[in-house]
Amino acid sequence: ETGVTQTPRHLVMGMTNKKSLKCEQHLGHNAMYWYKQSAKKPLELMFVYSLEERVENNSVPSRFSPECPNSSHLFLHLHTLQPEDSALYLCASSRDLGEAGNEQYFGPGTRLTVT
Amino acid sequence: GEDVEQSLFLSVREGDSSVINCTYTDSSSTYLYWYKQEPGAGLQLLTYIFSNMDMKQDQRLTVLLNKKDKHLSLRIADTQTGDSAIYFCAEIPFSGGSYIPTFGRGTSLIVHP
Repeated sequence: ETGVTQTPRHLVMGMTNKKSLKCEQHLGHNAMYWYKQSAKKPLELMFVYSLEERVENNSVPSRFSPECPNSSHLFLHLHTLQPEDSALYLCASSRDLGEAGNEQYFGPGTRLTVT
Repeated sequence: GEDVEQSLFLSVREGDSSVINCTYTDSSSTYLYWYKQEPGAGLQLLTYIFSNMDMKQDQRLTVLLNKKDKHLSLRIADTQTGDSAIYFCAEIPFSGGSYIPTFGRGTSLIVHP
């Protein structure tokens, strides 16, 4: 138990659906992240939030829309996805982007399958 | 090329030592990390080393850092089947006012009897 929870753990959706992934951290951290993990590819950083403000967006398609309503919650809204978006989506949190010792704590991930 | 490089696979026999290697590029990284990912789970922080150290030992784990060559290694003594997992090396460079981790591709450690 890392203090970071993600729901749902598994999601199957069609290409025309709209769904959302939820992440919650109970660690009092100020930074939260979304990563995409696909088979045989490096871990891809998608979005970074610090104190509810987006600080990094690594050329992610607009069909992925993040939302950070407060420092404890992070959402990833999904719409009109493609089969190649099927992957494990990992959420992480860390104390503060301004600290050199910025180790991350990960949730268990949401396994997304787009049909 | 990638910022953090690791070999993709390592196979060892149970009871032997495992050594997982990593090279990184950013000399400004003050902390370097090893994470472990078991099947169906997220990444779990395993250990870390501060850049002014050469070695850190934590029970069966030994981290070696060669800052000159930007080379990091993780040695697991007496490897067990429960150590089978993917191991990620990560550096935290300072860029644009923020410390954001950069991960390697991960090394799949397979432990066989």
